[in-house]
Amino acid sequence: DAKTTQPPSMDCAEGRAANLPCNHSTISGNEYVYWYRQIHSQGPQYIIHGLKNNETNEMASLIITEDRKSSTLILPHATLRDTAVYYCIVKVIPSNTGKLIFGQGTTLQVKP
Amino acid sequence: NAGVTQTPKFQVLKTGQSMTLQCAQDMNHEYMSWYRQDPGMGLRLIHYSVGAGITDQGEVPNGYNVSRSTTEDFPLRLLSAAPSQTSVYFCASRTGDNEQFFGPGTRLTVL
Repeated sequence: DAKTTQPPSMDCAEGRAANLPCNHSTISGNEYVYWYRQIHSQGPQYIIHGLKNNETNEMASLIITEDRKSSTLILPHATLRDTAVYYCIVKVIPSNTGKLIFGQGTTLQVKP
Repeated sequence: NAGVTQTPKFQVLKTGQSMTLQCAQDMNHEYMSWYRQDPGMGLRLIHYSVGAGITDQGEVPNGYNVSRSTTEDFPLRLLSAAPSQTSVYFCASRTGDNEQFFGPGTRLTVL
Protein backbone atom coordinates (compact mmCIF):
# COMPACT_ATOMS: atom_id res chain seq x y z
CA ASP A 1 0.00 0.00 0.00
CA ALA A 2 1.20 3.49 -0.88
CA LYS A 3 2.48 5.80 1.80
CA THR A 4 0.81 9.07 2.66
CA THR A 5 2.11 12.39 3.94
CA GLN A 6 0.00 14.74 6.04
CA PRO A 7 0.80 17.91 7.97
CA PRO A 8 1.12 17.10 11.66
CA SER A 9 -1.33 19.74 12.82
CA MET A 10 -3.83 22.33 11.66
CA ASP A 11 -6.16 24.85 13.23
CA CYS A 12 -9.59 25.85 12.03
CA ALA A 13 -12.13 28.37 13.29
CA GLU A 14 -15.48 26.98 14.35
CA GLY A 15 -18.03 27.30 11.56
CA ARG A 16 -15.42 27.58 8.84
CA ALA A 17 -14.42 24.89 6.37
CA ALA A 18 -11.54 22.66 7.38
CA ASN A 19 -9.39 21.54 4.45
CA LEU A 20 -7.04 18.70 5.30
CA PRO A 21 -4.45 17.82 2.64
CA CYS A 22 -2.85 14.47 1.96
CA ASN A 23 -0.05 13.58 -0.40
CA HIS A 24 0.06 10.08 -1.87
CA SER A 25 2.35 10.52 -4.84
CA THR A 26 3.14 6.78 -5.19
CA ILE A 27 -0.49 5.67 -5.30
CA SER A 28 -1.20 2.92 -7.78
CA GLY A 29 -4.19 2.50 -10.04
CA ASN A 30 -6.09 0.07 -7.82
CA GLU A 31 -5.59 1.91 -4.54
CA TYR A 32 -8.39 3.86 -2.95
CA VAL A 33 -8.04 6.85 -0.64
CA TYR A 34 -9.70 6.48 2.76
CA TRP A 35 -10.12 8.98 5.57
CA TYR A 36 -10.66 8.05 9.20
CA ARG A 37 -10.57 10.16 12.31
CA GLN A 38 -9.89 9.43 15.96
CA ILE A 39 -11.43 11.61 18.61
CA HIS A 40 -9.48 11.65 21.85
CA SER A 41 -8.42 7.99 22.12
CA GLN A 42 -11.77 6.61 20.97
CA GLY A 43 -11.81 4.00 18.24
CA PRO A 44 -11.19 5.37 14.76
CA GLN A 45 -14.25 6.45 12.81
CA TYR A 46 -14.66 6.07 9.08
CA ILE A 47 -15.33 9.30 7.20
CA ILE A 48 -15.20 8.74 3.45
CA HIS A 49 -13.30 7.02 0.66
CA GLY A 50 -12.85 7.34 -3.09
CA LEU A 51 -10.89 6.19 -6.13
CA LYS A 52 -10.66 9.12 -8.52
CA ASN A 53 -13.93 10.97 -8.54
CA ASN A 54 -14.83 13.51 -5.90
CA GLU A 55 -17.01 12.07 -3.18
CA THR A 56 -19.41 13.65 -0.71
CA ASN A 57 -21.40 12.27 2.19
CA GLU A 58 -23.11 13.69 5.26
CA MET A 59 -19.80 14.14 7.06
CA ALA A 60 -17.36 15.46 4.48
CA SER A 61 -16.21 15.86 0.90
CA LEU A 62 -13.18 14.22 -0.65
CA ILE A 63 -11.42 15.95 -3.51
CA ILE A 64 -8.85 13.83 -5.39
CA THR A 65 -6.58 15.51 -7.94
CA GLU A 66 -6.72 14.32 -11.52
CA ASP A 67 -3.32 12.63 -11.28
CA ARG A 68 -4.45 11.09 -7.96
CA LYS A 69 -1.22 12.07 -6.25
CA SER A 70 -2.95 14.11 -3.61
CA SER A 71 -6.33 14.65 -2.01
CA THR A 72 -8.13 17.01 0.33
CA LEU A 73 -10.71 16.18 2.94
CA ILE A 74 -13.16 19.02 3.47
CA LEU A 75 -15.29 19.42 6.57
CA PRO A 76 -17.66 22.16 5.34
CA HIS A 77 -18.63 23.69 8.70
CA ALA A 78 -16.23 22.55 11.40
CA THR A 79 -17.49 22.29 14.96
CA LEU A 80 -15.62 21.81 18.22
CA ARG A 81 -16.60 18.14 18.08
CA ASP A 82 -14.53 17.77 14.90
CA THR A 83 -11.34 18.24 16.90
CA ALA A 84 -9.53 14.95 16.27
CA VAL A 85 -6.63 13.23 14.56
CA TYR A 86 -7.43 12.69 10.89
CA TYR A 87 -5.81 9.83 9.02
CA CYS A 88 -5.43 9.59 5.26
CA ILE A 89 -4.93 5.98 4.16
CA VAL A 90 -4.51 4.40 0.75
CA LYS A 91 -5.50 0.80 0.31
CA VAL A 92 -5.98 -1.76 -2.40
CA ILE A 93 -9.46 -3.18 -2.57
CA PRO A 94 -10.77 -5.78 -2.49
CA SER A 95 -8.69 -6.75 0.51
CA ASN A 96 -8.83 -9.92 2.55
CA THR A 97 -6.96 -8.46 5.46
CA GLY A 98 -8.77 -5.13 5.47
CA LYS A 99 -5.52 -3.87 6.90
CA LEU A 100 -5.45 -0.11 7.36
CA ILE A 101 -2.00 1.45 7.63
CA PHE A 102 -2.35 4.37 9.98
CA GLY A 103 0.40 6.98 9.80
CA GLN A 104 0.81 9.92 12.14
CA GLY A 105 -2.24 11.76 10.81
CA THR A 106 -3.14 15.43 11.14
CA THR A 107 -4.31 16.77 14.47
CA LEU A 108 -7.10 19.21 13.70
CA GLN A 109 -7.89 21.71 16.43
CA VAL A 110 -11.18 23.53 15.93
CA LYS A 111 -11.18 26.76 17.89
CA PRO A 112 -14.16 28.86 19.03
CA ASN B 1 -27.35 -2.36 17.26
CA ALA B 2 -24.58 -2.18 19.85
CA GLY B 3 -21.96 -2.23 17.06
CA VAL B 4 -18.55 -3.43 18.21
CA THR B 5 -18.15 -3.96 21.94
CA GLN B 6 -14.96 -4.64 23.86
CA THR B 7 -14.32 -5.77 27.41
CA PRO B 8 -12.70 -4.89 29.68
CA LYS B 9 -12.18 -1.15 29.19
CA PHE B 10 -9.09 -1.13 31.38
CA GLN B 11 -6.77 -3.88 32.60
CA VAL B 12 -3.55 -4.02 34.58
CA LEU B 13 -1.46 -7.18 34.39
CA LYS B 14 1.78 -8.34 35.86
CA THR B 15 4.52 -9.63 33.59
CA GLY B 16 3.89 -13.27 32.73
CA GLN B 17 0.16 -13.24 33.38
CA SER B 18 -2.25 -14.27 30.66
CA MET B 19 -5.62 -12.81 29.78
CA THR B 20 -8.24 -12.60 27.07
CA LEU B 21 -9.56 -9.40 25.57
CA GLN B 22 -13.13 -9.84 24.42
CA CYS B 23 -14.62 -8.44 21.22
CA ALA B 24 -18.14 -8.90 19.91
CA GLN B 25 -20.15 -7.43 17.05
CA ASP B 26 -23.85 -7.69 16.28
CA MET B 27 -23.75 -6.56 12.64
CA ASN B 28 -23.18 -10.02 11.14
CA HIS B 29 -19.87 -8.86 9.68
CA GLU B 30 -17.65 -11.58 8.28
CA TYR B 31 -14.37 -9.71 8.74
CA MET B 32 -12.92 -8.88 12.16
CA SER B 33 -9.52 -7.52 13.19
CA TRP B 34 -7.42 -6.62 16.19
CA TYR B 35 -5.15 -3.56 16.23
CA ARG B 36 -2.89 -2.09 18.86
CA GLN B 37 -2.07 1.58 19.27
CA ASP B 38 0.99 2.67 21.17
CA PRO B 39 1.24 6.24 22.54
CA GLY B 40 1.53 8.82 19.77
CA MET B 41 1.45 6.14 17.09
CA GLY B 42 -0.96 4.89 14.49
CA LEU B 43 -2.73 1.54 14.72
CA ARG B 44 -0.96 -1.69 13.82
CA LEU B 45 -2.74 -4.88 12.77
CA ILE B 46 -2.23 -7.87 15.09
CA HIS B 47 -4.54 -10.60 13.73
CA TYR B 48 -7.56 -10.72 11.49
CA SER B 49 -10.33 -13.11 10.52
CA VAL B 50 -12.27 -13.42 7.28
CA GLY B 51 -14.97 -15.60 8.78
CA ALA B 52 -15.79 -18.12 11.49
CA GLY B 53 -12.99 -20.67 11.80
CA ILE B 54 -10.53 -18.64 9.71
CA THR B 55 -7.83 -16.42 11.18
CA ASP B 56 -4.49 -15.08 10.01
CA GLN B 57 -1.60 -12.98 11.25
CA GLY B 58 -1.22 -9.27 10.77
CA GLU B 59 1.99 -7.28 11.09
CA VAL B 60 2.61 -7.67 14.85
CA PRO B 61 1.20 -11.12 15.85
CA ASN B 62 3.91 -12.31 18.26
CA GLY B 63 2.66 -12.90 21.80
CA TYR B 64 -1.00 -13.02 20.78
CA ASN B 65 -3.44 -15.76 19.82
CA VAL B 66 -6.91 -15.49 18.33
CA SER B 67 -9.77 -17.80 17.46
CA ARG B 68 -13.10 -17.27 15.71
CA SER B 69 -15.62 -19.91 16.69
CA THR B 70 -18.64 -17.72 15.90
CA THR B 71 -19.32 -14.83 13.54
CA GLU B 72 -19.99 -12.52 16.49
CA ASP B 73 -16.95 -13.06 18.71
CA PHE B 74 -13.22 -12.59 18.14
CA PRO B 75 -11.24 -12.84 21.40
CA LEU B 76 -7.56 -11.88 21.63
CA ARG B 77 -5.40 -13.86 24.04
CA LEU B 78 -2.18 -12.64 25.57
CA LEU B 79 -0.22 -15.75 26.37
CA SER B 80 2.40 -14.32 28.75
CA ALA B 81 2.10 -10.57 29.13
CA ALA B 82 5.17 -8.38 28.69
CA PRO B 83 5.64 -4.64 29.34
CA SER B 84 6.04 -4.17 25.58
CA GLN B 85 2.39 -5.16 25.23
CA THR B 86 1.24 -2.12 27.16
CA SER B 87 -1.01 -0.46 24.62
CA VAL B 88 -4.56 0.36 23.64
CA TYR B 89 -6.22 -2.49 21.78
CA PHE B 90 -8.95 -1.91 19.23
CA CYS B 91 -11.20 -4.50 17.67
CA ALA B 92 -12.82 -3.77 14.32
CA SER B 93 -15.35 -5.42 12.05
CA ARG B 94 -16.45 -4.87 8.47
CA THR B 95 -18.30 -6.30 5.56
CA GLY B 96 -16.65 -5.59 2.26
CA ASP B 97 -14.25 -2.69 1.90
CA ASN B 98 -16.39 0.36 2.51
CA GLU B 99 -15.72 1.06 6.16
CA GLN B 100 -14.47 -0.59 9.29
CA PHE B 101 -16.31 -0.20 12.57
CA PHE B 102 -14.06 0.08 15.60
CA GLY B 103 -14.80 -0.71 19.20
CA PRO B 104 -14.06 1.70 22.07
CA GLY B 105 -10.75 0.04 22.95
CA THR B 106 -9.16 -1.76 25.88
CA ARG B 107 -6.39 0.05 27.70
CA LEU B 108 -3.86 -2.50 28.90
CA THR B 109 -0.94 -1.86 31.23
CA VAL B 110 1.62 -4.57 31.89
CA LEU B 111 3.82 -4.00 34.92
